[in-house]
Amino acid sequence: GENVEQHPSTLSVQEGDSAVIKCTYSDSASNYFPWYKQELGKGPQLIIDIRSNVGEKKDQRIAVTLNKTAKHFSLHITETQPEDSAVYFCAASKGALDNQGGKLIFGQGTELSVKP
Amino acid sequence: DVKVTQSSRYLVKRTGEKVFLECVQDMDHENMFWYRQDPGLGLRLIYFSYDVKMKEKGDIPEGYSVSREKKERFSLILESASTNQTSMYLCASSLWAVETQYFGPGTRLLVL
Repeated sequence: GENVEQHPSTLSVQEGDSAVIKCTYSDSASNYFPWYKQELGKGPQLIIDIRSNVGEKKDQRIAVTLNKTAKHFSLHITETQPEDSAVYFCAASKGALDNQGGKLIFGQGTELSVKP
Repeated sequence: DVKVTQSSRYLVKRTGEKVFLECVQDMDHENMFWYRQDPGLGLRLIYFSYDVKMKEKGDIPEGYSVSREKKERFSLILESASTNQTSMYLCASSLWAVETQYFGPGTRLLVL
């Protein structure tokens, strides 16, 4: 089955710097790659996602890139702010929810700390 | 506004007890999910349901069962709680099969 590896497990940056979190996946049939942010005491919340027919997607200070050949995708946060401090999860999925083929497989999580 | 609620934020149970975790969503979503979250392991899928009275095993279903009698409610049941089931449990729902999942705040369960 699908396996998603996420690095680093912890990341500390200074406010204003950029942060990059990387994930690799094993199943070449995966075609949907969301990123979730979990703030302390809350459930994860989707912040951005990308599908396999595009290589990059941006939304203000966050961007995600996808390299299908290498089977890895990354989250980029520019001009980091203290409120970006949270745990970030990547995930991968193959699509339709039939016979568990489309369920999300999550990475291990990255704890991002942005120091003022 | 999208909302997924879970019956308890914190729960302490004894080994061998039967435990019910309740999840309710108000978005008329078809799909509902139960995950457990452990440090270094990310979120692991326990069970999911794509329709009322339907359920499918996830990656770690052993020791758990689920019930979905109504569209808005998805219950996770620990038939006989064990200490290795101490964890954070997250419920989620989504409209379509693989689209945005909306998570509840989680239930932190401690089994003594």
